[in-house]
Amino acid sequence: GQSLEQPSEVTAVEGAIVQINCTYQTSGFYGLSWYQQHDGGAPTFLSYNGLDGLEETGRFSSFLSRSDSYGYLLLQELQMKDSASYFCAVRADRGSTLGRLYFGRGTQLTVWP
Amino acid sequence: SQTIHQWPATLVQPVGSPLSLECTVEGTSNPNLYWYRQAAGRGLQLLFYSVGIGQISSEVPQNLSASRPQDRQFILSSKKLLLSDSGFYLCAWSVPGRRAEKLFFGSGTQLSVL
Repeated sequence: GQSLEQPSEVTAVEGAIVQINCTYQTSGFYGLSWYQQHDGGAPTFLSYNGLDGLEETGRFSSFLSRSDSYGYLLLQELQMKDSASYFCAVRADRGSTLGRLYFGRGTQLTVWP
Repeated sequence: SQTIHQWPATLVQPVGSPLSLECTVEGTSNPNLYWYRQAAGRGLQLLFYSVGIGQISSEVPQNLSASRPQDRQFILSSKKLLLSDSGFYLCAWSVPGRRAEKLFFGSGTQLSVL
């Protein structure tokens, strides 16, 4: 099975840099992804870091340590609109064309002015 | 460009009633399709996934079923809803292959079972 742990809440001020951590335990590992979700909205893709490469979006970057089963999302130049929930997710299907993702419970980021 | 449509946005159903949620994708062929459920304040739980027409795999045993009658259509159903079926249901698609973990989500259906 898969389990992911991330902090439930993080707060920061506008313009700052914030790091959201994620530790995972999986039966197989292909990559770690990050998604953003505003209240009542659909999750949107931010970043992927895995065996076949790295993809990042805008001010969002990610780090991965496979040996430690740990990764984090780094948000730079925080803006008020970054207040949202952030989810890490693992893909366990190595060698498959299927992207089954298993999500953590999410970290609520609050950005203060 | 690709788009995903999911409806209805909100649904209130009595216990024991049937359910049908529909999702369609436009602008792509042979996508991987997924149904996720999100309980309030929780992460997303994978319910079903499909790699092609009529090919459905279930992640967890439950009161729900899924079907894929057409390449870009994914339907979530139940014959008799339970209170525990309440939640935010999200349909998603991805391109098969190297970036299959990049999911594109629909706007979701908030289901309340009373």
